[in-house]
Amino acid sequence: EIVLTQSPATLSLSPGERATLSCRASQSVSSYLAWYQQKPGQAPRLLIYNASNRATGIPARFSGSGSGTDFTLTISSLEPEDFAVYYCQQRGNWPPLTFGPGTKVEIK
Amino acid sequence: QVQVVQSGAEVKKPGDSVKVSCKASGYTFIDYYIHWVRQAPGQGLEWMGRINPNSGGTNYAQKFLGRVTMTRDTSISTAYMELSRLRSDDTAVYYCARSFCSGTSCFENWFDPWGQGTLVTVSS
Repeated sequence: EIVLTQSPATLSLSPGERATLSCRASQSVSSYLAWYQQKPGQAPRLLIYNASNRATGIPARFSGSGSGTDFTLTISSLEPEDFAVYYCQQRGNWPPLTFGPGTKVEIK
Repeated sequence: QVQVVQSGAEVKKPGDSVKVSCKASGYTFIDYYIHWVRQAPGQGLEWMGRINPNSGGTNYAQKFLGRVTMTRDTSISTAYMELSRLRSDDTAVYYCARSFCSGTSCFENWFDPWGQGTLVTVSS
């Protein structure tokens, strides 16, 4: 089973700042990595798929990069609605499909 | 619009079974996988398995083999997830999610949209 590790666990930033979230896989998943955003009391929402492709309707301030075992989600300038928990997920080697433990982006 | 809508909250006792439904609308039900993901209180996301609504074929996470059954009823565009021999640590929000498509490209193992979630509480 591929284990995904996310860092940091919590990121404290102010609106307008840049957020950089990391996801590391225990073995290569090629570019088969996605990022989801989850707000309290809501279902997750797909942001990025295949490491760097934005899903439909996702603002351009969200970008993804990486391949193999190291991936990054960048939010170029945080908007108030971006404070949430972000999960990475792999489909490079499954079953099972696995998620990282999440990074919480909170208001500083 | 494309959406999946789940059944309501359930309270069960240890050893019971629960069956959660996921009704699809706004698209052709048999053309897209339905996945099930759960989230224990304050915890992360855990993939349980998926069903191909066309064939009925399933893939389950090893952890749930023998306890989970995913089925579908194509006549009413609804998928189901049944979990048996419930324990207290099965208390969680259970989500269904459709496989994701962008334009004409579809990806079986990315999830979007998601249902609203169904809270299953297991307590004696």
